[in-house]
Amino acid sequence: SAVISQKPSRDICQRGTSLTIQCQVDSQVTMMFWYRQQPGQSLTLIATANQGSEATYESGFVIDKFPISRPNLTFSTLTVSNMSPEDSSIYLCSARPGPSAWTGKTLLSTDTQYFGPGTRLTVL
Amino acid sequence: DAKTTQPNSMESNEEEPVHLPCNHSTISGTDYIHWYRQLPSQGPEYVIHGLTSNVNNRMASLAIAEDRKSSTLILHRATLRDAAVYYCILRDPQSSGDKLTFGTGTRLAVRP
Repeated sequence: SAVISQKPSRDICQRGTSLTIQCQVDSQVTMMFWYRQQPGQSLTLIATANQGSEATYESGFVIDKFPISRPNLTFSTLTVSNMSPEDSSIYLCSARPGPSAWTGKTLLSTDTQYFGPGTRLTVL
Repeated sequence: DAKTTQPNSMESNEEEPVHLPCNHSTISGTDYIHWYRQLPSQGPEYVIHGLTSNVNNRMASLAIAEDRKSSTLILHRATLRDAAVYYCILRDPQSSGDKLTFGTGTRLAVRP
């Protein structure tokens, strides 16, 4: 499977501060996404990270609160700005490979989204 | 995206087959049926997907009703490692692109 890593794996932050989460994919991918999973809940899509252009946000999520960067085909960041306790969640990135994307000796499926392990954020 | 309905939870005994149902009565002709699962403290992982015909892979089988309004994910021999939340997701590549809309899923418990 595609290896997607996230940094940090967890963090505890103070109210009013910001945290930037990094997502690294080990092969070039066409699409990258950011999700939020609140405690005991399912995943909610925050935005699609577009390479070389502004992210596309879902209803209820705005760029000022969740700025996203995607400088190349293998890397993206999500910043959670001006945090409050309600932002305590797991944040996950995912990626959809492009054609002929490999990891090791495995050809990745373009029909599949691969997910990172998540970043567990606690805001005090 | 069309809505799916799954039971909140199910239990199974180890080494027995498990049938996880999903209803999607408003499915459109171009919706693919995808299944993902989320093991504890991990991100979701792909299990299987199909359009009309039943599908098999090394992880599971997907049985799709003839009218496509329901489907069943089949784990042939449940192991303790299969304890997870299983999500049934409809995806239309043309309208929703690559976006996945997760419902509440079915939490599967496997008894030793």
